[in-house]
Amino acid sequence: KNEVEQSPQNLTAQEGEFITINCSYSVGISALHWLQQHPGGGIVSLFMLSSGKKKHGRLIATINIQEKHSSLHITASHPRDSAVYICAVSWNLFRADKLIFGTGTRLQVFP
Amino acid sequence: GAGVSQSPSNKVTEKGKDVELRCDPISGHTALYWYRQSLGQGLEFLIYFQGNSAPDKSGLPSDRFSAERTGGSVSTLTIQRTQQEDSAVYLCASSLARWTSGKGYNEQFFGPGTRLTVL
Repeated sequence: KNEVEQSPQNLTAQEGEFITINCSYSVGISALHWLQQHPGGGIVSLFMLSSGKKKHGRLIATINIQEKHSSLHITASHPRDSAVYICAVSWNLFRADKLIFGTGTRLQVFP
Repeated sequence: GAGVSQSPSNKVTEKGKDVELRCDPISGHTALYWYRQSLGQGLEFLIYFQGNSAPDKSGLPSDRFSAERTGGSVSTLTIQRTQQEDSAVYLCASSLARWTSGKGYNEQFFGPGTRLTVL
């Protein structure tokens, strides 16, 4: 069983729809990361969460430490949001630590 | 400022040859990480360096893989006697652990990767 699991694996949406991607993890962690990878492109860090909720533009990330679960929401989705979204966990906030990744969610948003 | 850079962007090699992949982290970042992304395995951790501490090598898949970081900056990942299963995109990332408003942050910044193809 993977330590980090994401759902769904694939997601299609119409422009303007509200999107939710889920991430569950099986180990105690200090931080959860959401990353974005565009086709043929590099990986960009979207959020790093240790508790609660963060918002950046149309993106919202939440984490429930007790339930070992995080969600990434995209409001008013747009075709440029089409990418692979990856959840990852780490065990240190204040020093270097490896990331353990989920398998990713491929999102396609159609006009 | 400049982001993380990697070279070469693409590398094609024959089975059994050695390869070296280079990573230039963001200036001032104390931590440097190597990951790889392959079709069958997704993203996986290989090794990381933090300052002058001993590197965490726990993700290296075999003793054919090694990495060094010179002068606390540039890093080289070396794969000896390459095998076809080594074909993947090798990603480097760097980070600077910091405090802001009583909370810790250790965001990792990724390079564009080196696509390695072993024939």
